[in-house]
Amino acid sequence: AQSVSQHNHHVILSEAASLELGCNYSYGGTVNLFWYVQYPGQHLQLLLKYFSGDPLVKGIKGFEAEFIKSKFSFNLRKPSVQWSDTAEYFCAVTPNYGQNFVFGPGTRLSVLP
Amino acid sequence: EAGVTQFPSHSVIEKGQTVTLRCDPISGHDNLYWYRRVMGKEIKFLLHFVKESKQDESGMPNNRFLAERTGGTYSTLKVQPAELEDSGVYFCASSHGLEKVKETQYFGPGTRLLVL
Repeated sequence: AQSVSQHNHHVILSEAASLELGCNYSYGGTVNLFWYVQYPGQHLQLLLKYFSGDPLVKGIKGFEAEFIKSKFSFNLRKPSVQWSDTAEYFCAVTPNYGQNFVFGPGTRLSVLP
Repeated sequence: EAGVTQFPSHSVIEKGQTVTLRCDPISGHDNLYWYRRVMGKEIKFLLHFVKESKQDESGMPNNRFLAERTGGTYSTLKVQPAELEDSGVYFCASSHGLEKVKETQYFGPGTRLLVL
């Protein structure tokens, strides 16, 4: 069965530190890839998405992700985090012929001021 | 444009009772999805409507769960009777339906269900 793993359950960083959150998926075919974020008390919001084309995708709030097909990975990065980035981050995958998300377990990010 | 809304935001019920959750998708969105996150675990797909039809209900855990989308607008998810393991956050999402394989789903705030 298709699954998504995220490398870290909880990441704690100081402001201005660089961030990389890992995401790997098990599906062998063509996939669509997403990162969603849930800020405290808010709903899930789309950070960025990859369907095809340039494997380096830029999203909102300075986030970017790189799709590496050979590694089945879609890691999320941000060069300098802010306190306001404190949230839970979810990687999600849909197969190219399907529409239902398979989510990773989420990574909680805490940014210390 | 109004986003996806869900009602109620929280629900606390006793085991054996019935609860109905409601989702109003973004206006004009044909696709509507239900997901659930049990505490500490990943968000899991429950089912998918295209307009009023169930496209995929492979994620529904058992027959205590009934989802409807009469008229192709809002959807309800009824749990009857509720069990302790049904506790969690129930998310609804919607998407246009114009591009079958390149859709972005927009999520509602979720309903937190606690079964005592």
